[in-house]
Amino acid sequence: DTGVSQDPRHKITKRGQNVTFRCDPISEHNRLYWYRQTLGQGPEFLTYFQNEAQLEKSRLLSDRFSAERPKGSFSTLEIQRTEQGDSAMYLCASSLGLGIKEQFFGPGTRLTVL
Amino acid sequence: AQSVTQPDIHITVSEGASLELRCNYSYGATPYLFWYVQSPGQGLQLLLKYFSGDTLVQGIKGFEAEFKRSQSSFNLRKPSVHWSDAAEYFCAVGRSGGSYIPTFGRGTSLIVHP
Repeated sequence: DTGVSQDPRHKITKRGQNVTFRCDPISEHNRLYWYRQTLGQGPEFLTYFQNEAQLEKSRLLSDRFSAERPKGSFSTLEIQRTEQGDSAMYLCASSLGLGIKEQFFGPGTRLTVL
Repeated sequence: AQSVTQPDIHITVSEGASLELRCNYSYGATPYLFWYVQSPGQGLQLLLKYFSGDTLVQGIKGFEAEFKRSQSSFNLRKPSVHWSDAAEYFCAVGRSGGSYIPTFGRGTSLIVHP
């Protein structure tokens, strides 16, 4: 068990560019979550997967955001046509089982949009 | 919809002093409550959780929290703070049913003076 990993840890991009982040959950964890955290705030839920199925999306997840978990293992979060307001820390978490379970968080990807 | 209030943005304590971080929640049903800690460059780590049963919950690193339904509170305590406890602390409430997605408070930054 190596924990949840995220790549890259930091990303600087220009407004209008597309970016993609990757999350590798703890192996065998069937649930995977994406959150966004801005400075001085707690994490805000974006979306979550159970295995490969995306079961819920927050209203925060605009049309420019898309997430996938094609084989029920790693997940990607893509932001198209980035805006300065997208600058934030993007956190990934995973959990095992159904019901309310502890979520294990990755270190996050910090996105800066210039 | 559930919500969490952490009224203190910053708390400063001396090493060895006791600590209490406040958390108030709003949720119509029985809440699932969590405290997470986030150190710089690290992911969120679960300190403790309350689902049901004994209202005094013991966690890792010497932390405890008490669920008080009448006050809608779930305050975090530690009898003697160590310098390594300096971090950001987040209280969260999880909604029941389905995904149990937690809603986080804005966090309290703990500063420890030597």
